[in-house]
Amino acid sequence: DTAVSQTPKYLVTQMGNDKSIKCEQNLGHDTMYWYKQDSKKFLKIMFSYNNKELIINETVPNRFSPKSPDKAHLNLHINSLELGDSAVYFCASSQRGKHIISNTEAFFGQGTRLTVV
Amino acid sequence: AQKVTQAQTEISVVEKEDVTLDCVYETRDTTYYLFWYKQPPSGELVFLIRRNSFDEQNEISGRYSWNFQKSTSSFNFTITASQVVDSAVYFCALSEPGSARQLTFGSGTQLTVLP
Repeated sequence: DTAVSQTPKYLVTQMGNDKSIKCEQNLGHDTMYWYKQDSKKFLKIMFSYNNKELIINETVPNRFSPKSPDKAHLNLHINSLELGDSAVYFCASSQRGKHIISNTEAFFGQGTRLTVV
Repeated sequence: AQKVTQAQTEISVVEKEDVTLDCVYETRDTTYYLFWYKQPPSGELVFLIRRNSFDEQNEISGRYSWNFQKSTSSFNFTITASQVVDSAVYFCALSEPGSARQLTFGSGTQLTVLP
């Protein structure tokens, strides 16, 4: 029973298309994240939602729009895909807790490898 | 701003050797968490350890051990008697208090264990 699952695992699409990546967690966590891993393996936060509320929106082009219909789901929609969007996108979840000491570790999905051609 | 530095880009060892992966961090906060994650060739990110800033005890889990030293802002990871299956990219990460407590990752160390 996968804790954090994201679909699809691979996504190949042409420039200019719109695509979505879905993420679901069954851990009961209150916070979900999208991270981007570039071709050099560098991981960077993109977005974070806590109880369906957007709390982090890093300097990401507004072609990227996250949507959280409920605490267990965080989807990522990308409009007008560009070559530079090719990367691996990871969804993650954690339980934030009132104080950082009570924070849990983040659990990651298996990643979605997006290739824009 | 917080920062995590993993100066070792790639390390190669022969099976059964011990290997230490270095991690140095910067933060202005006195309360924070440090993590290590493993990314095997299959691509998933696997949680290895979490350590909070108030707990400087070293930890050992099987062949893995971690050395946390606040005085040098380091959180190093040692694999004893390495095995081929340890080959992976290892990431050190920092989480500090804030609204989302997101992870700031180091650039990763590619460990290759040769048979």
